[in-house]
Amino acid sequence: NAGVTQTPKFQVLKTGQSMTLQCAQDMNHNSMYWYRQDPGMGLRLIYYSASEGTTDKGEVPNGYNVSRLNKREFSLRLESAAPSQTSVYFCASSDRGIIGGYTFGSGTRLTVV
Amino acid sequence: AQSVTQPDIHITVSEGASLELRCNYSYGATPYLFWYVQSPGQGLQLLLKYFSGDTLVQGIKGFEAEFKRSQSSFNLRKPSVHWSDAAEYFCAVGESSGTYKYIFGTGTRLKVLA
Repeated sequence: NAGVTQTPKFQVLKTGQSMTLQCAQDMNHNSMYWYRQDPGMGLRLIYYSASEGTTDKGEVPNGYNVSRLNKREFSLRLESAAPSQTSVYFCASSDRGIIGGYTFGSGTRLTVV
Repeated sequence: AQSVTQPDIHITVSEGASLELRCNYSYGATPYLFWYVQSPGQGLQLLLKYFSGDTLVQGIKGFEAEFKRSQSSFNLRKPSVHWSDAAEYFCAVGESSGTYKYIFGTGTRLKVLA
């Protein structure tokens, strides 16, 4: 089925470890996004890529880096994981900014111990 | 600055009862407004959206929402709730068609009693 695929679905890291969350969409969407979801805080934008070749910071970019590898793929990297980065991470894509709405992946549940 | 408030953290309704989830926004101009639903362990799914025109918009799964400029509200309604509607619901606002960023509310978790 067409959509947004995130890997892995679950991950446990030790403080200071690094990892990359992968996201791929097969809908030929131009824009891609990374959000984190924490209890009582809704979704907060980490980084987004309005189009291939561009990336911009969102609301909570500290501690993260992103790469828009091509039109399909947008990865999120944690260079040195901290317990405060324990969260559920969602990737999303859209074809016309917010107008058409976002298509979300099913999320990555990350625990940093 | 834009903001979105969902005043109800949890709501419980009986199956077959009507539902209204509240959403208030803060924005100077006419915002772009959205409702998303998140089932347990899943990503968010778009229910409906409002850009302009008719202030009552219809969405999927029998949901509707009404934009009230005077009250800065965009409440979500459903006449008769089904057990499968149990989920978390998020209201979101965007500045304009050219933006790529939403501001999400903190969500309302709906529980449906059989």
